[in-house]
Amino acid sequence: AQRVTQPEKLLSVFKGAPVELKCNYSYSGSPELFWYVQYSRQRLQLLLRHISRESIKGFTADLNKGETSFHLKKPFAQEEDSAMYYCALTSGGSNYKLTFGKGTLLTVNP
Amino acid sequence: NAGVTQTPKFQVLKTGQSMTLQCAQDMNHNSMYWYRQDPGMGLRLIYYSASEGTTDKGEVPNGYNVSRLNKREFSLRLESAAPSQTSVYFCASSAPGGQPQHFGDGTRLSIL
Repeated sequence: AQRVTQPEKLLSVFKGAPVELKCNYSYSGSPELFWYVQYSRQRLQLLLRHISRESIKGFTADLNKGETSFHLKKPFAQEEDSAMYYCALTSGGSNYKLTFGKGTLLTVNP
Repeated sequence: NAGVTQTPKFQVLKTGQSMTLQCAQDMNHNSMYWYRQDPGMGLRLIYYSASEGTTDKGEVPNGYNVSRLNKREFSLRLESAAPSQTSVYFCASSAPGGQPQHFGDGTRLSIL
């Protein structure tokens, strides 16, 4: 069974500080990993996917297969980064179902 | 280009009432999904439809039914609502090949 673990329910940092949101997964094959972000009372939006290897809004995430992790990082947090962040995994195949972690609520304080 | 549209945005029901949540996408996506979002639980998949004409159970299907009416529309029905089904419901769609899912704005459903 596939599983996504986000160990921190809440994370609070000050503006300008580095931020790292942790994500660990369990899956026996080669998963595809995503980070989704949900700003207050808005729809979920895709932030990053590991195969793109891109930086969005200053965030990056590297897939570490040895540690089965896909941590989300940003060197200098901004107040507008405050949101709920979800790590998600899909095994691909014919249905592309997503398995989500329980989410981390990031608060960036001024 | 609206993307994924969900109706209604808010609804209050009494226990035992029935309700259908509507979802439509205009991106010509094959796959569509229904999730519920609860505090501390993340998003959990209720049902999904990999392609028009097919539907499958997700992680928490009990108490729900779905209909893939056509390629655009995927509805979720609560036949006899229960307080435990109070939640925010999200519909999503995706193109084939592991493409990212696109989400609607959600429906906030309260069952008294």
